[in-house]
Amino acid sequence: NAGVTQTPKFRVLKTGQSMTLLCAQDMNHEYMYWYRQDPGMGLRLIHYSVGEGTTAKGEVPDGYNVSRLKKQNFLLGLESAAPSQTSVYFCASSQWDLVAKNIQYFGAGTRLSVL
Amino acid sequence: EDQVTQSPEALRLQEGESSSLNCSYTVSGLRGLFWYRQDPGKGPEFLFTLYSAGEEKEKERLKATLTKKESFLHITAPKPEDSATYLCAVQFSGGSNYKLTFGKGTLLTVNP
Repeated sequence: NAGVTQTPKFRVLKTGQSMTLLCAQDMNHEYMYWYRQDPGMGLRLIHYSVGEGTTAKGEVPDGYNVSRLKKQNFLLGLESAAPSQTSVYFCASSQWDLVAKNIQYFGAGTRLSVL
Repeated sequence: EDQVTQSPEALRLQEGESSSLNCSYTVSGLRGLFWYRQDPGKGPEFLFTLYSAGEEKEKERLKATLTKKESFLHITAPKPEDSATYLCAVQFSGGSNYKLTFGKGTLLTVNP
């Protein structure tokens, strides 16, 4: 049972380059999220999706775009990478119901360095 | 503004030395409070969720409790394998049902 899978696990970019981070979940969850984690800052929400074809901005959305064309996948794009986007990126998914409430399950993360 | 504060930032214990981690929150209404464990280089792993004041949950050496303004994660007779960062997250009733606000975490080190 894979849960939430993120690819790639590591990436080094030069300033101005673009890339896409892929998140896939096999739990049939409606909700998916992208967070970034920086030392001393905790987890901060970048974008999220409440269902296939929907996306919304979180706490720190600038410089990122997302797409949810399929229910199981949530893509995070960096159009023109900047050093400030050096971080560890986590994807999570959840399902809202009376039993599970909104327990979010996380992937292993993508470590991105922008030089 | 809704906030979540964890203390201490770091805690070092000897094996077998029990202690507690704190998560306090300022919010108009709480829908749920979540505890996660995060090991170095890995994603957060769900531990507990609490929904109402007075509620308690236990798992092995860990026990989570909830009051109206804070939650405690009690660690009884910890072992070195309990070393990790413990994250607290809160879901506020005034916001959307999917948004969690995370604290910055407590780094726990248990020495043998």
